[in-house]
Amino acid sequence: QSALTQPRSVSGSPGQSVTISCTGTSSDVGAYKYVSWYQQHPGKAPKLMIYDVTKRPSGVPDRFSGSKSGNTASLTISGLQAEDEADYYCCSYAGGYTWVFGGGTKLTVL
Amino acid sequence: QVQLVQSGAEVKKPGASVKVSCKASGYTFINYFIQWVRQAPGQGLEWMGIINPGSGTTTYAQKFQGRVTLTRDTSTTTVYMELNSLRSEDTAVYYCAKDLQSLDPWGQGTLVTVSS
Repeated sequence: QSALTQPRSVSGSPGQSVTISCTGTSSDVGAYKYVSWYQQHPGKAPKLMIYDVTKRPSGVPDRFSGSKSGNTASLTISGLQAEDEADYYCCSYAGGYTWVFGGGTKLTVL
Repeated sequence: QVQLVQSGAEVKKPGASVKVSCKASGYTFINYFIQWVRQAPGQGLEWMGIINPGSGTTTYAQKFQGRVTLTRDTSTTTVYMELNSLRSEDTAVYYCAKDLQSLDPWGQGTLVTVSS
């Protein structure tokens, strides 16, 4: 099971929008509607931000949105804020009750 | 509130085994899967396996097949992750997390250090 591919880093200024991509295959991202995104601040446990490609858990700002096209899922953060600076990981169902994570993307708010 | 509380940090020698616990509270334990994810220092998240606390059925990542065992105790609403034949590359923070396609919440993490 190979890790999903994410850019190592992205950056943006406060108020701007950024998009983080997550590329898998037709056996994981492309096959299922079960892509989730997690935010992780240094020294903390990951936090669920998006699940089932587009759904936001209660309490997550609507500045965070998810989408998918083919084998690539994306997380878009609009109206960037300083507290959004963190690592972001995508995760996809890969069939047979197995899951795979992306390598992670470091978001820097300039 | 829904909570997962993990056991404390461990230091093990190469070749040894470690067993990490994850105690669930605030919800019906047998109705929700528990997954295990690890994170080596400075590295990304790595999926290890999943257990159905209701049936005890498990699935493991191919990488860990034969070396990891997930079990559960329904009387104490606790899930256990045991990893055998430890090597230095297993030094990581190990997390448990609730549910299937949306991991939420996560435990606080357990640091396992493998060193001679």
